[in-house]
Amino acid sequence: AQKVTQAQTEISVVEKEDVTLDCVYETRDTTYYLFWYKQPPSGELVFLIRRNSFDEQNEISGRYSWNFQKSTSSFNFTITASQVVDSAVYFCALSEAQGTYKYIFGTGTRLKVLA
Amino acid sequence: EAGVTQFPSHSVIEKGQTVTLRCDPISGHDNLYWYRRVMGKEIKFLLHFVKESKQDESGMPNNRFLAERTGGTYSTLKVQPAELEDSGVYFCASSQVQGISYNSPLHFGNGTRLTVT
Repeated sequence: AQKVTQAQTEISVVEKEDVTLDCVYETRDTTYYLFWYKQPPSGELVFLIRRNSFDEQNEISGRYSWNFQKSTSSFNFTITASQVVDSAVYFCALSEAQGTYKYIFGTGTRLKVLA
Repeated sequence: EAGVTQFPSHSVIEKGQTVTLRCDPISGHDNLYWYRRVMGKEIKFLLHFVKESKQDESGMPNNRFLAERTGGTYSTLKVQPAELEDSGVYFCASSQVQGISYNSPLHFGNGTRLTVT
């Protein structure tokens, strides 16, 4: 069965600390896509990154970086020098083999960055 | 460009009542998705429209839920009669093309928070 696990329910850090949000996935498919979304207090889901199963390159975008490791079925997200504005719920998601936006989401990790 | 718009933002109803949620996708987006997050749990897929047709409704929990997209524009999701376990946040999302594409990301609305008492 396909599944996404975000074991960290809530994380609190002090501003400027680095923080890593874990995401572990299960899938039988050889072709799949992984995503991270941010849900700020306003409620909408904001797209952060997409990765396909053939691209294991890590990615850095400003203070954000992602570590995709097929060997451990993980797609972890690190925020460097966290800021209060990073406070949100972060969701990891997996798309099914059809390559559509029919996602399987994790339960989300609530990140609180304290000033 | 206006984003995905959902109405209402909040709804509180009593068990047994009917509620209709509305989603206006981004103009020109043929693909419309409904998702739901029950308190503290994962966000779950409900269904996918391509224009006015239901492409995939495998996530609809039961026959108390009815989704429509007449004319292939806005969509409604009706819950009748509502039960306590229907409480949660209902998200709508839209995309221009059906497949995952850099040129056609999935855009989510702010969600409708439904509380059934």
